[in-house]
Amino acid sequence: QVQLQESGPGLIKPSETLSLTCAVSGDSISSRYWSWIRQPPGKGLEWIGYGHYSGDTNYNPSLKSRVTISVDTSKSQLSLKMSSVTAADTAVYYCARIDYYGSGTEFFDPWGPGTRVTVSS
Amino acid sequence: DVQMTQSPSSLSASVGDRVTITCRASQSISNYLNWYQQRPGKAPKLLIYAASNLQSGVPSRFSGSGSGTQFTLTISSLQPEDFATYYCQQSHSLPPTFGHGTKVEI
Repeated sequence: QVQLQESGPGLIKPSETLSLTCAVSGDSISSRYWSWIRQPPGKGLEWIGYGHYSGDTNYNPSLKSRVTISVDTSKSQLSLKMSSVTAADTAVYYCARIDYYGSGTEFFDPWGPGTRVTVSS
Repeated sequence: DVQMTQSPSSLSASVGDRVTITCRASQSISNYLNWYQQRPGKAPKLLIYAASNLQSGVPSRFSGSGSGTQFTLTISSLQPEDFATYYCQQSHSLPPTFGHGTKVEI
């Protein structure tokens, strides 16, 4: 059974660079695409981007200039780096596997439990 | 970006009720529509993919329908564990986008 577990600093200061990791077990990280999704407190879900071990990535245009996603096959880990964070980046950050169906429908399944990040001085 | 609009934003229901949630896309997305359930303090969980396909392990009281721009999630007989927030998500165009959620309350 696939399991994902995010980890991160919890609290980070404005203007710093946020670094998160997602440990993947129960599946080959090199066989799939993986995503980061976030949820500000009391709000909805925002897709951040996806990454593949080949180096293929795609980011939400709203965050593209600040985000880097990478896959480390040796550690079976997905990483997210987000630069110049502000209070608006305070959220629970989730990693999720991208799965596919038939004609190309993509969906996120499963998700990790999430890691809470607060941006505050 | 494709905008996803859910209605209602919240609803009150009782155990045993039939509940319907609607999701509308700002442009045609064929059947590239997924539904997730999020219980308080937990990660979202996939319920329905490709508009009408029930994810393995999800109870059969959940069903989805629709295509193009209009979609529905139906819970045929609400159970206590179904009180949660439900999100639709389109996978037709990048970036994938989510609706704002529908909170199902007692």
